[in-house]
Amino acid sequence: DQQVKQNSPSLSVQEGRISILNCDYTNSMFDYFLWYKKYPAEGPTFLISISSIKDKNEDGRFTVFLNKSAKHLSLHIVPSQPGDSAVYFCAATLTGTASKLTFGTGTRLQVTL
Amino acid sequence: GAVVSQHPSWVICKSGTSVKIECRSLDFQATTMFWYRQFPKQSLMLMATSNEGSKATYEQGVEKDKFLINHASLTLSTLTVTSAHPEDSSFYICSAVAQAGDTQYFGPGTRLTVL
Repeated sequence: DQQVKQNSPSLSVQEGRISILNCDYTNSMFDYFLWYKKYPAEGPTFLISISSIKDKNEDGRFTVFLNKSAKHLSLHIVPSQPGDSAVYFCAATLTGTASKLTFGTGTRLQVTL
Repeated sequence: GAVVSQHPSWVICKSGTSVKIECRSLDFQATTMFWYRQFPKQSLMLMATSNEGSKATYEQGVEKDKFLINHASLTLSTLTVTSAHPEDSSFYICSAVAQAGDTQYFGPGTRLTVL
């Protein structure tokens, strides 16, 4: 039972344009969401997070939007850069579960010149 | 700051042997460490949660007698894959948090190949 889903396995975006990565979840009890970036043969690195009490969080080129009613979140990267090419995972957690994360399946972003 | 290392970065072993993977938090004390497994083109799946000085908590479907976890200190957790078989071949990643609720910092992962 995949509680966190990323339905697009891959995405290709031109440099300078906006990248939008989507994530859906089924467990309405999740109250904290995170995005991680991962290069091959490396561990994930934290990018940005959002609490369920917010609907938007911004950090430089990265913005995460949360739509609780739709159980949907998205990561916007603007402008996209070639160095952003990686696999992006969204993850969700419940308060009080000692940071236990449930990951999505990942979306491979390719930023082209 | 917040660096987590893993050793070895890759290992090849024969079927039936045991393999130990170390996870260290280099610049902070980790009260909790997590062990994940990732198969090709799949998500990271949590295997177990390890708290310093206590027994690990395993996720459903993960054999605790096969995947032995020891969190003996606030900077070191080990995962031992006992009697490894080819189906155990995977990418094993650990993460660490200083306190419950904090951001998880991930290690670089260990690629295990069982022949």
